[in-house]
Amino acid sequence: EPEVTQTPSHQVTQMGQEVILRCVPISNHLYFYWYRQILGQKVEFLVSFYNNEISEKSEIFDDQFSVERPDGSNFTLKIRSTKLEDSAMYFCASRALETHSPLHFGNGTRLTVT
Amino acid sequence: QKEVEQNSGPLSVPEGAIASLNCTYSDRGSQSFFWYRQYSGKSPELIMFIYSNGDKEDGRFTAQLNKASQYVSLLIRDSQPSDSATYLCAVNDMRFGAGTRLTVKP
Repeated sequence: EPEVTQTPSHQVTQMGQEVILRCVPISNHLYFYWYRQILGQKVEFLVSFYNNEISEKSEIFDDQFSVERPDGSNFTLKIRSTKLEDSAMYFCASRALETHSPLHFGNGTRLTVT
Repeated sequence: QKEVEQNSGPLSVPEGAIASLNCTYSDRGSQSFFWYRQYSGKSPELIMFIYSNGDKEDGRFTAQLNKASQYVSLLIRDSQPSDSATYLCAVNDMRFGAGTRLTVKP
């Protein structure tokens, strides 16, 4: 069964550094998402992406965040200048175009900012 | 602000009992409703979705949707210890509720 893949599984970075989290969505999916989950807390929506542009973003998704689909397969989340509070699990998800299509999640990238 | 609310629990039931999980949503235009299960340290996985008023059954799971009252629920029959997880409700804009932590005690 096709799956969403995320790399790396764990990223450690120093405060102020830029990080790029990578995702390969399922190949025939057209909607892409990033979520964040701070340890012990809820899954928080960051951004959705469709047709090569952001379709919706949350208040968390401020100027330090950006997303990109640099080629036909990858979908990336960039955090420009990481803060301690960015430490979290980041999940990528994708879904098909059809109405009622569910999200398919990757295994996540655990980001630790020191 | 579109809201998805869940009773955060924790909810504890004995093995073999029925677990009932509830979710309310604020956007009357929502059309699709999803239940995901998340084990600790893992990504959410889809249990089932529903988009028509009424009940939808899949094995031990039943989703119930009431659009007039803007709630959706998940019933787990014959609960097993392996059902112990956090259950997440999502609506079609793919925002999640806070989740309900379920513990099934042997």
